[in-house]
Amino acid sequence: DAGVIQSPRHEVTEMGQEVTLRCKPISGHDYLFWYRQTMMRGLELLIYFNNNVPIDDSGMPEDRFSAKMPNASFSTLKIQPSEPRDSAVYFCASSLYEGGRDTQYFGPGTRLTVL
Amino acid sequence: GQNIDQPTEMTATEGAIVQINCTYQTSGFNGLFWYQQHAGEAPTFLSYNVLDGLEEKGRFSSFLSRSKGYSYLLLKELQMKDSASYLCAVRATDSWGKLQFGAGTQVVVTP
Repeated sequence: DAGVIQSPRHEVTEMGQEVTLRCKPISGHDYLFWYRQTMMRGLELLIYFNNNVPIDDSGMPEDRFSAKMPNASFSTLKIQPSEPRDSAVYFCASSLYEGGRDTQYFGPGTRLTVL
Repeated sequence: GQNIDQPTEMTATEGAIVQINCTYQTSGFNGLFWYQQHAGEAPTFLSYNVLDGLEEKGRFSSFLSRSKGYSYLLLKELQMKDSASYLCAVRATDSWGKLQFGAGTQVVVTP
């Protein structure tokens, strides 16, 4: 399997611009997670989906952030408008609940820099 | 809420053993994970414990005591490539699928 795929790998944008991050989970996985990682705050869960339905978005910082999962093989995380404090590495992860356990597999991440 | 504590950094010599401790406080407990993250890369899964005891997987072992809210990751026969951050993550019973990650322990392996 190709693993979790994220694009772009790097994004540099100016404050106020819209940013869209993309994720393709591992085929057959029923959970998808969006995380943000910074030196100051570590790895934070933003939102997660089960079978394409958002389950918990309590980690989404504010209304500028939105996430969608239109089908089982694709998800987006959008920031509009972007701010310098959004600069971070954004990871997408997926998992399959099976046999009473699940393991999250992470994509390579998108390094976002907002100037 | 959940509170997860692990040391910030540990240094050890190649070939030695290092034990990384993790303590947690949760409203309920439904599993503990250890992940390894090399600089500039994504976290990768190392181990999973849901019952008390020791899980061994090659050079890496993980231990859990639910009554004490305590886990450790044991790295044996350290190699230079083991230099990385090690993240402890806990899943609570009321939030299936959701993991709370600790800040990570940076392990530095010296020659």
